Amino acid sequence: GNSVTQMEGPVTLSEEAFLTINCTYTATGYPSLFWYVQYPGEGLQLLLKATKADDKGSNKGFEATYRKETTSFHLEKGSVQVSDSAVYFCALAPRRTGTASKLTFGTGTRLQVTL
Amino acid sequence: DGGITQSPKYLFRKEGQNVTLSCEQNLNHDAMYWYRQDPGQGLRLIYYSQIVNDFQKGDIAEGYSVSREKKESFPLTVTSAQKNPTAFYLCASSTVGNQPQHFGDGTRLSIL
Repeated sequence: GNSVTQMEGPVTLSEEAFLTINCTYTATGYPSLFWYVQYPGEGLQLLLKATKADDKGSNKGFEATYRKETTSFHLEKGSVQVSDSAVYFCALAPRRTGTASKLTFGTGTRLQVTL
Repeated sequence: DGGITQSPKYLFRKEGQNVTLSCEQNLNHDAMYWYRQDPGQGLRLIYYSQIVNDFQKGDIAEGYSVSREKKESFPLTVTSAQKNPTAFYLCASSTVGNQPQHFGDGTRLSIL
């Protein structure tokens, strides 16, 4: 079956530090890949996505590149801010048309950014 | 603005009681989903629906029930058969295909 593995947190960084959160996946075919962010007490918000190999998703300074050869979708940001403190989830959706997109989520990585 | 509304934000259940969590969307999405989130864990799929009057079990459907009488609405009932219902419940919707899901702000269910 499909699975997503994320690095365990928490990840604690100082403001303006470089961020990497690792994500690898197991899936048949060519899934779509997503990063979601969850702030305390809230639902998940889509941060970025990539739908095919070598695609780079980006949003709000965050980036992730779909690497088919290493089955990875690592999240990066060049300079984190305190407001980036949240839990980040990597997820995949199998490539199917006409059906609901059943997402498989990683366990989430908590990021804490300090001044 | 289009979005997903979950209510209530907090809910308390007594022993032996069924409770219903509301989820409404105005995004005109065909598919809707219910997830359960436990502390320090990822999301687990309870039920999903691709179209009105049709729904399928997810990975942890036991002790839960749903209905989909309208495109906009997908209520979840946590029955007394669910012995460990304390969790954060998230509703989501999407267009069909491998599209991203849009989430509500969740309902936190606790046992009295």
